Amino acid sequence: AQKITQTQPGMFVQEKEAVTLDCTYDTSDPSYGLFWYKQPSSGEMIFLIYQGSYDQQNATEGRYSLNFQKARKSANLVISASQLGDSAMYFCAMRENSGGYQKVTFGTGTKLQVIP
Amino acid sequence: DTAVSQTPKYLVTQMGNDKSIKCEQNLGHDTMYWYKQDSKKFLKIMFSYNNKELIINETVPNRFSPKSPDKAHLNLHINSLELGDSAVYFCASSPPRGREAFFGQGTRLTVV
Repeated sequence: AQKITQTQPGMFVQEKEAVTLDCTYDTSDPSYGLFWYKQPSSGEMIFLIYQGSYDQQNATEGRYSLNFQKARKSANLVISASQLGDSAMYFCAMRENSGGYQKVTFGTGTKLQVIP
Repeated sequence: DTAVSQTPKYLVTQMGNDKSIKCEQNLGHDTMYWYKQDSKKFLKIMFSYNNKELIINETVPNRFSPKSPDKAHLNLHINSLELGDSAVYFCASSPPRGREAFFGQGTRLTVV
């Protein structure tokens, strides 16, 4: 079974609009972390935002916020006021305990294109 | 200072050759990973090491052999390269129970 599911292979958003990228996860570890990474066309993996499973409030980092709904096992990324430079692949990832050690698993990614 | 560095950035080689990719992190992290990103951009974990000890091996062919001489280095050696090995390989590291994994810039391997 997929640990991390991103159901949107591609998304378009108008510049200056907000966009939500979906992510659902599955784990039996009570202490886990959820991340979002951005991969522009240049290829590097850029960390955007982190949410711990015990965090009471949704994480925010500048224009990025994570809509964490624990009961639904979802961790959607919201990008406000989209910019052309936001066009990239976005990956949701989860850190969980695997055999006493941590393991980070990625979703299949969503390609976001910002339209001027 | 680069936190996680990989060399080389690009690697073009013929089928059947043996090649290595090196990775070093200066963050003092205990855990290091190798990921393979295929042409569809899917990132799949290959190996994870904790303090030089192999802890995760995700059914990778035994032509791939990771080596961790110390906890700051995790190298990937690939024997008898095949066309299907062409991909981008990322090294990453993370602290114990920490937040994000820090990635190297990736190595684009092309097997011809």
